[in-house]
Amino acid sequence: DIVMTQAPLSVSVTPGESASISCRSSKSLLHSNGITYVYWYLQKPGKSPQLLIYRMSNLASGVPDRFSGSGSETDFTLKISRVEAEDVGIYYCGQLLENPYTFGAGTKLELK
Amino acid sequence: QVNLLQSGAALVKPGASVKLSCKASGYTFTDYYIHWVKQSHGKSLEWIGYINPNSGYTNYNEKFKSKATLTVDKSTNTAYMELSRLTSEDSATYYCTRSGLAHWGQGVMVTVSS
Repeated sequence: DIVMTQAPLSVSVTPGESASISCRSSKSLLHSNGITYVYWYLQKPGKSPQLLIYRMSNLASGVPDRFSGSGSETDFTLKISRVEAEDVGIYYCGQLLENPYTFGAGTKLELK
Repeated sequence: QVNLLQSGAALVKPGASVKLSCKASGYTFTDYYIHWVKQSHGKSLEWIGYINPNSGYTNYNEKFKSKATLTVDKSTNTAYMELSRLTSEDSATYYCTRSGLAHWGQGVMVTVSS
């Protein structure tokens, strides 16, 4: 199985500041079709996960452009600019390249 | 808008089975796969598998092959997941989600206890 390793496991951010979350995969997530199958999700307290970024760098519908995704074949970054109170929760990276789909352990974002 | 409405919480005895439902609306049901994801309390996400509602084809995570059975009823736009021979390890919240894991149900908590 592809292992997804996130860092840090928790981050505390002052509102208005930026935050970055890293994710590393144990195998390249670049498909031969040129698409990199890494996804980012946010799970707010008591809620279902919601899609933020798909295929490494594409913003999901309705997601503020304060969120952005980037990376290479195995190293990925989610950046949140100008963090707001509504951004609090657990962020997961996931790979949807091959069976079984796998996810990172999650990064908990809190406000200072 | 896309909506995935899951059945209510379940309390089941060890060794029993439970069948969870996920009713889709707001889109053409047969156009998108339905995936199921497990989240144990305080833990990360585990992908169980998916079903193609059009053909009934299923693809499972090897870990859940003997635990979960995915089916659909196209007449009611509903996907089902049956979990068998339940143990305390199966106590978790289970989500249904559409292709790309872009739209999620509200989740259903399954508690296995005597």
